[in-house]
Amino acid sequence: KNEVEQSPQNLTAQEGEFITINCSYSVGISALHWLQQHPGGGIVSLFMLSSGKKKHGRLIATINIQEKHSSLHITASHPRDSAVYICAVRSPNYGGSQGNLIFGKGTKLSVKP
Amino acid sequence: KAGVTQTPRYLIKTRGQQVTLSCSPISGHRSVSWYQQTPGQGLQFLFEYFSETQRNKGNFPGRFSGRQFSNSRSEMNVSTLELGDSALYLCASSSSGGPVDEQFFGPGTRLTVL
Repeated sequence: KNEVEQSPQNLTAQEGEFITINCSYSVGISALHWLQQHPGGGIVSLFMLSSGKKKHGRLIATINIQEKHSSLHITASHPRDSAVYICAVRSPNYGGSQGNLIFGKGTKLSVKP
Repeated sequence: KAGVTQTPRYLIKTRGQQVTLSCSPISGHRSVSWYQQTPGQGLQFLFEYFSETQRNKGNFPGRFSGRQFSNSRSEMNVSTLELGDSALYLCASSSSGGPVDEQFFGPGTRLTVL
C-alpha cells in the first residue's frame, strides 16, 4: 500500500465545473504539498499546507490532519487547468531529520471546452 | 529572480555509459533535492544536498550519486546506465530544505537509455 493515495486517477470535466481531487496519507507529516505538472514535465508548486485551508485564485486546498486527508478544489474549471495534479507529503519518518517528500501517483485532469 | 535551471534538457545514452546532470538553484537557496519520475513508479526522491553535504538519501542503488558545490549548484551522476534509468530527472531548490520550506522545481532533464 502506498503511503500517499490520490483519487481519482483520471478526471474529465466540462469547462466551468467544480473539481475535487483527494489525497489520503498514512504517515505522520510535517507538511503536504499540491503540485501541478503540465505536459512537457515542468512542475509548479501550488500549495504547501500544514493545517487548515489555503486559497489562491480559483484553487482551494484543505487538509484535515486528524483524518490524514487533503483535498484540492478547482472552481470554474478551464481547459488551461488540464494537467496532472500531484499530492506529496514531507514525513520526518523517512530519511534524515528534515524528512523526504513522498509522492502520490497523480491525478490527470482534462477539462473540455 | 531566475528560476531553477537544469542542463541538459534532453539526453540520449546507451546502456553501460555514465551521465552527469546539472542543476542550478534559485539564488540564495542552499538546499537542492533530486527526483526521478517514471511512468511506472511516479516521482521518487533520490537525494538532498545542503551546504555541500548530502543530508538525505532515497532508496536507490549506489550507481546514483551526487554532489553540491560551494555556490549551491548540484550535479547528479548515474554510472553504468540501465534501460530502467530512462526517466525525467527533476531537481528542486529551497532556502534551507526545512520541513515547511516551499520547493521550486526545475524543468527537468529527460534521459533516454537505449
